[in-house]
Amino acid sequence: GDSVTQMEGPVTLSEEAFLTINCTYTATGYPSLFWYVQYPGEGLQLLLKATKADDKGSNKGFEATYRKETTSFHLEKGSVQVSDSAVYFCALSYNTDKLIFGTGTRLQVFP
Amino acid sequence: EAQVTQNPRYLITVTGKKLTVTCSQNMNHEYMSWYRQDPGLGLRQIYYSMNVEVTDKGDVPEGYKVSRKEKRNFPLILESPSPNQTSLYFCATRDLGTGELFFGEGSRLTVL
Repeated sequence: GDSVTQMEGPVTLSEEAFLTINCTYTATGYPSLFWYVQYPGEGLQLLLKATKADDKGSNKGFEATYRKETTSFHLEKGSVQVSDSAVYFCALSYNTDKLIFGTGTRLQVFP
Repeated sequence: EAQVTQNPRYLITVTGKKLTVTCSQNMNHEYMSWYRQDPGLGLRQIYYSMNVEVTDKGDVPEGYKVSRKEKRNFPLILESPSPNQTSLYFCATRDLGTGELFFGEGSRLTVL
């Protein structure tokens, strides 16, 4: 079945460092891909998405490109801030079907 | 303001004592769902509802019930809670046009 695999965390970085969180997926069709972020004590919120191959989603300095050839949707940011500390979830979905989530990657950014 | 509101946010209960976690949304979304979040397992869908009076099982429905009598509410019922239902629960609605999920703030349940 379809699935999402994320790198295990925590990812620990200093402020202004470059961030990559890896996400790969297994899919039988052509899903949409999402990154959600969960700040401490809060629910998840959509960070960015891409609906087809080669699309790039971006928001708040974060980017991810839908790579069909490598079945990946890696999250990147050029310069992280302490306020980016959170848990990041990669997910896939077909149209109105449910979202399938990865296990989440915790990011810790230190000053 | 678009909101998904869950109650209670925190609850400690004992095995076998029925409880209900309420969920209410003000976005007029047809799709609502419940997830549980456990360390190392990510989010797993419990139940979902495509519209009023329509509910379907997700990946981990055992031990849970839901109802959808009106569009804005989607309560999660644990008829006889057990310790393995200790978890962080999230209600979510979905904009079927964009595909985006909107989550509540979560309900942390502990079953002793």
